[in-house]
Amino acid sequence: GESVGLHLPTLSVQEGDNSIINCAYSNSASDYFIWYKQESGKGPQFIIDIRSNMDKRQGQRVTVLLNKTVKHLSLQIAATQPGDSAVYFCAEKSTGGFKTIFGAGTRLFVKA
Amino acid sequence: DAGVIQSPRHEVTEMGQEVTLRCKPISGHDYLFWYRQTMMRGLELLIYFNNNVPIDDSGMPEDRFSAKMPNASFSTLKIQPSEPRDSAVYFCASSLGVRRTGGNEKLFFGSGTQLSVL
Repeated sequence: GESVGLHLPTLSVQEGDNSIINCAYSNSASDYFIWYKQESGKGPQFIIDIRSNMDKRQGQRVTVLLNKTVKHLSLQIAATQPGDSAVYFCAEKSTGGFKTIFGAGTRLFVKA
Repeated sequence: DAGVIQSPRHEVTEMGQEVTLRCKPISGHDYLFWYRQTMMRGLELLIYFNNNVPIDDSGMPEDRFSAKMPNASFSTLKIQPSEPRDSAVYFCASSLGVRRTGGNEKLFFGSGTQLSVL
């Protein structure tokens, strides 16, 4: 069935290094992709999004890359900080639809 | 804006009891979503409303689950009777409609209700 999945369930990085979190999606009809960050005891929080007519989008310390050919999405965090430690979800939906489907999540640990 | 507000934050109940979870969406948002989060199944969409009308409840696991949205500022998710397998974190989220966002409908989540059914 249609799903959004993550390659790595856990990622551990050194403070100051760059982090890359990957995500695969299978629904070819999806044209809107979002990354959410979930800290312990809180709900998911929007980080950055990208539409399918783009390959790359940058925010503050974060970059999302979209490769439609292989249905792959990645989140890059520059100069990772302890406050970046959280679970990161990729999510997808299609224009005209209203369901946002979430991937399994990747837990990011930042070592001081 | 205070964001999406959910209550209670924690609920502990015994099997067979009725549980009611509450949500106040962000003012002006057209859509309201109820999600359930577990370690095994991740974030699952249960039901969503558009302008207070339930649009898709295909994610509601059983007839024991019901949701209402009597007005634009309030929604409830009810489980009756509750069972231990209902234990999870239940999130409410809201978003603007596609006509106002051009299709980029990011979700704003509440802090969730941690439900434990003993």
